[in-house]
Amino acid sequence: DGGITQSPKYLFRKEGQNVTLSCEQNLNHDAMYWYRQDPGQGLRLIYYSQIVNDFQKGDIAEGYSVSREKKESFPLTVTSAQKNPTAFYLCASSIGLLAGETQYFGPGTRLLVL
Amino acid sequence: DAKTTQPNSMESNEEEPVHLPCNHSTISGTDYIHWYRQLPSQGPEYVIHGLTSNVNNRMASLAIAEDRKSSTLILHRATLRDAAVYYCILREGGGADGLTFGKGTHLIIQP
Repeated sequence: DGGITQSPKYLFRKEGQNVTLSCEQNLNHDAMYWYRQDPGQGLRLIYYSQIVNDFQKGDIAEGYSVSREKKESFPLTVTSAQKNPTAFYLCASSIGLLAGETQYFGPGTRLLVL
Repeated sequence: DAKTTQPNSMESNEEEPVHLPCNHSTISGTDYIHWYRQLPSQGPEYVIHGLTSNVNNRMASLAIAEDRKSSTLILHRATLRDAAVYYCILREGGGADGLTFGKGTHLIIQP
């Protein structure tokens, strides 16, 4: 089955620690995205990538970093500079960045700070 | 992206039709109207999208006003599994990055 996988489902971060969230897709999509969702709120865009080795900042990129070395993978690192990292993180992909294209979402990773 | 306005919550009975409204008075001519829904603790799921004409798929129908300043998502026969937060989102036709999510409408289905 084609789809998007995110791991782990739950992640705990200690103060001052960097953590990396995994996102893999086997849909052969060029575009990938990371969103953050706080309780009772909609999703906010962190980073997106249109193609391998290229990515752009979204609305709330501070304290986060990404890489896109392979088409299938778009890992997100939450750095120690992100002071309020507790949230639900969602990865998505689409064929491209055209406005009429559908985004497909993974199941999410919930990050908690110890 | 242009903004959308949706009611915070709506309630409906199982097996009845549901009409979820969305206002987008500042929509531009090339903006697509997308609807996604999200069940608790899950990623959003695509429902339907359109540009100018009404659209139908296996999940729902999308009715777009003639002036495009509003649209309505129609679930023809609601089930308990349709209870979710529904997001109405505009995506710029001239160049798009991610989706801009508002708070959406929390749809409650009564058995």
